[in-house]
Amino acid sequence: GAGVSQSPSNKVTEKGKDVELRCDPISGHTALYWYRQSLGQGLEFLIYFQGNSAPDKSGLPSDRFSAERTGGSVSTLTIQRTQQEDSAVYLCASSLDRGARQPQHFGDGTRLSIL
Amino acid sequence: AQKITQTQPGMFVQEKEAVTLDCTYDTSDQSYGLFWYKQPSSGEMIFLIYQGSYDEQNATEGRYSLNFQKARKSANLVISASQLGDSAMYFCAMREGIGGSSYKLIFGSGTRLLVRP
Repeated sequence: GAGVSQSPSNKVTEKGKDVELRCDPISGHTALYWYRQSLGQGLEFLIYFQGNSAPDKSGLPSDRFSAERTGGSVSTLTIQRTQQEDSAVYLCASSLDRGARQPQHFGDGTRLSIL
Repeated sequence: AQKITQTQPGMFVQEKEAVTLDCTYDTSDQSYGLFWYKQPSSGEMIFLIYQGSYDEQNATEGRYSLNFQKARKSANLVISASQLGDSAMYFCAMREGIGGSSYKLIFGSGTRLLVRP
């Protein structure tokens, strides 16, 4: 079946512009995660959605970052007034539920470059 | 605070040989889970293997096995019979306490494995 789908795959924008990154999780997966991967680094947690529960936003680096998940499916990560340090690969993952053994399945990511 | 440490930034292995990638972790939780992911140069994150803190046996998944030493807080990945396609970045990750409200993964900095023909 289809995996996690992210769009766009690449995004280049000017400093100060707003960007929206989209994630379409695997059908039936109730848990959705956003991570950020800077060049040559491991992944950094940003935000987590589970069903209709309030999201865990503890990883968002600043109030310029926000995310929503509509209808328990597609999620959008928005970065306002982008800065050069926002340049990174943004990865979305989903899992079947919040069960401890459930692996997170990742999309191919959006490579964001801020000029 | 929870932390994952991968001390080998880069590793070489000869094709068909076994290789061990190190991972140590730090947590005060009794219930936790450990994951290994592979990231080829194309960028996707591929789930390899999972070990629960209460699992009595070391996890195995094909050519992948996990050498889990709970007292030492280590969860090393063993790849047997290395193949050229195993060349990639490998990340160790830990999931926070099972009873927690969030299931985010905390990742190590990764190990780049290069398999030589």
